[in-house]
Formats: sequence, C-alpha cells, structure tokens
Amino acid sequence: GESVGLHLPTLSVQEGDNSIINCAYSNSASDYFIWYKQESGKGPQFIIDIRSNMDKRQGQRVTVLLNKTVKHLSLQIAATQPGDSAVYFCAENVGTGANSKLTFGKGITLSVRP
Amino acid sequence: EPEVTQTPSHQVTQMGQEVILRCVPISNHLYFYWYRQILGQKVEFLVSFYNNEISEKSEIFDDQFSVERPDGSNFTLKIRSTKLEDSAMYFCASKRGMNTEAFFGQGTRLTVV
Repeated sequence: GESVGLHLPTLSVQEGDNSIINCAYSNSASDYFIWYKQESGKGPQFIIDIRSNMDKRQGQRVTVLLNKTVKHLSLQIAATQPGDSAVYFCAENVGTGANSKLTFGKGITLSVRP
Repeated sequence: EPEVTQTPSHQVTQMGQEVILRCVPISNHLYFYWYRQILGQKVEFLVSFYNNEISEKSEIFDDQFSVERPDGSNFTLKIRSTKLEDSAMYFCASKRGMNTEAFFGQGTRLTVV
C-alpha cells in the first residue's frame, strides 16, 4: 500500500520462505527498470534489472517480473535470509541518453523473522 | 571491486554556510549523478552530468546548487547557502553507459543546524 511520511510499508517473512515485493511505476515510456536494496546507513545497492522488451529475468535467488500492461514490477526472493532484511526500492529509467535519470518508488521494508 | 566513494560520511553545518560534498565515481564511468534522500523517504534525483556538463536537473536543484568535475576524477556537489530543509543523505552515483545500472556511493549525511 501507499506510505505516508516516515512509515514505509513493511513485509515480514519467515526465514526460508519466498518473498514477493511489488511496485507500480508511472511512466509507460520507461524502458529500463532496476531493483535496489538499501541497508541502514548505506547507499542503494543494485540487485537486478530488466529491460522493457522482457517480462522476466532471473538472477541468483532473485527474479524480477515486469507487466507493462498494468505498469507493475515485482521482485521475488527465494529462500529469504536474515541478510535480506533491508528497504527495497524499484526504480524506472526515465528519459533518453544523457538526459535519463532514475525515478525511485517509495520503498518497502523487508523484515525477515528467524 | 570498484566502487563509488563519498566524503565526508557526515557533515554538520550552520544554516547559511556553504558545503561541498565530494565523490569519486568509478573510473571508467561516463555518467554521474547526485541524488538525495530525506530521512525515511524515497531517493530523489537532483542532477545528472555527462561530457563535462549538466544534462538534466530537477526542480530541487536550484541556483543554490552547483556541480563540478574539476580534475577528471572527483565530482562535487556544492550548496552555496544551506537551509534547514537541505538536511538529507546525499548520494553520488555513476554508470558506464546509457542503459546500464547506476552504482551508488555510501552517501554523505548532511545536517543543517
């Protein structure tokens, strides 16, 4: 759901379960999407990306799904571990060439229960 | 593994003072960015820099802000006269090509008092 002020949506999962983090993006012209993980006090860390000509991409323990029809992006984490606890942001690449920039979503906190 | 480095990690300054935030992007990268994140909120774009000039800037990046790449290695963000609302984490990022992932530094926490 939407977050207001300091309160980010939180997803709490049991260690070992799969996690699904969802994101809605706004610009139908966006051609490149990235998921970032941000741990407390650190900068965003790249997890996985996907281009608009694909609908699924897999990495190590992570999968990104893109549904352009409804402008929806999801991140699936298999066998969630305590080290996965962080804030996750989706980002869309807006603009072209040197004028392109990342527009970030509001972020979701993933909390892994031992 | 190459990384974007930022200094200082924390800067406290009085309102009205000038601050310079420093970044060393990854060496073979061509596109450079500054973003900021107010506590608990999302990361917001400030400015992009390519080929020694600003290519895009947001509404936040007003006349009080400027960027420089003085020596082909460092990339700086200057805020001329800081305001309380400039308090935030400032992230530098760089990327190699147009549609490649951006790598972020650890950030500088700016506190304006």
